[in-house]
Amino acid sequence: KAGVTQTPRYLIKTRGQQVTLSCSPISGHRSVSWYQQTPGQGLQFLFEYFSETQRNKGNFPGRFSGRQFSNSRSEMNVSTLELGDSALYLCASSPPLTRWGQALAGELFFGEGSRLTVL
Amino acid sequence: DAKTTQPTSMDCAEGRAANLPCNHSTISGNEYVYWYRQIHSQGPQYIIHGLKNNETNEMASLIITEDRKSSTLILPHATLRDTAVYYCIVLYGQNFVFGPGTRLSVLP
Repeated sequence: KAGVTQTPRYLIKTRGQQVTLSCSPISGHRSVSWYQQTPGQGLQFLFEYFSETQRNKGNFPGRFSGRQFSNSRSEMNVSTLELGDSALYLCASSPPLTRWGQALAGELFFGEGSRLTVL
Repeated sequence: DAKTTQPTSMDCAEGRAANLPCNHSTISGNEYVYWYRQIHSQGPQYIIHGLKNNETNEMASLIITEDRKSSTLILPHATLRDTAVYYCIVLYGQNFVFGPGTRLSVLP
C-alpha cells in the first residue's frame, strides 16, 4: 500500500513569490492535514480537510491556504512568500471513520515532506 | 501551547529499555495521549496511543498513571534505529499540538 506522497520534495523560491505543494493521501483516507516544521517553532498545525471541506485551521495568516479535491488529494498554497516561510511542510492522512478531535483520530500517516527554502 | 512537557533529551544504551516520560497534568477526561516519533529528515511516525489503560503494540508500551497526569513510553529493547525525536501529544481542542519532544539517542 503506497504511503502519503508529497511533491515536490525540495524547492527554492524568492520573497514575494507564491508556491503550491501537493499531497496524495493513502488510498481510502479522506482526511488530510498539513503541518509546518521549523527549527524554531517545531511542528505546527496548518489546517485539515475532510471530504473537500476545511474542518480545522491553525493559527496562520491568510497567505496560507489549502484545498482538497474529490479524490482526496490536497494542495496547499503560500502566497507572497517571506523568509520565515522557509520550512519543511508535512502532510498527513488519516484512515476512514476518523472523527477529528476524538479518539479515532489518533493515527496520522505522514509524508516525507516538502522542504521550501525562501531566498 | 502544547499541553505536555517532556525532557529535552535522553540517552539509552542499545539493547536496553528506553523509558520516555511525559507530563500532561491538565489532561481532561476524554483526551487521549498519543506518541509519535520523527527520525531525522522523515515525517513523524505514529507509535501508540491510550486513554487510561496501559497499551502495548509491536513497537512500544504505554504506561499511563492512574490520575492520568503523566505517562511513559517504553521501547523494550532500543536499537540504533530508534534514535529519533519522540513527541507526546494530547489532543488540544481539535488539533494535534506537537511540543518540542524528547531527542532520544541510542548509544552502541
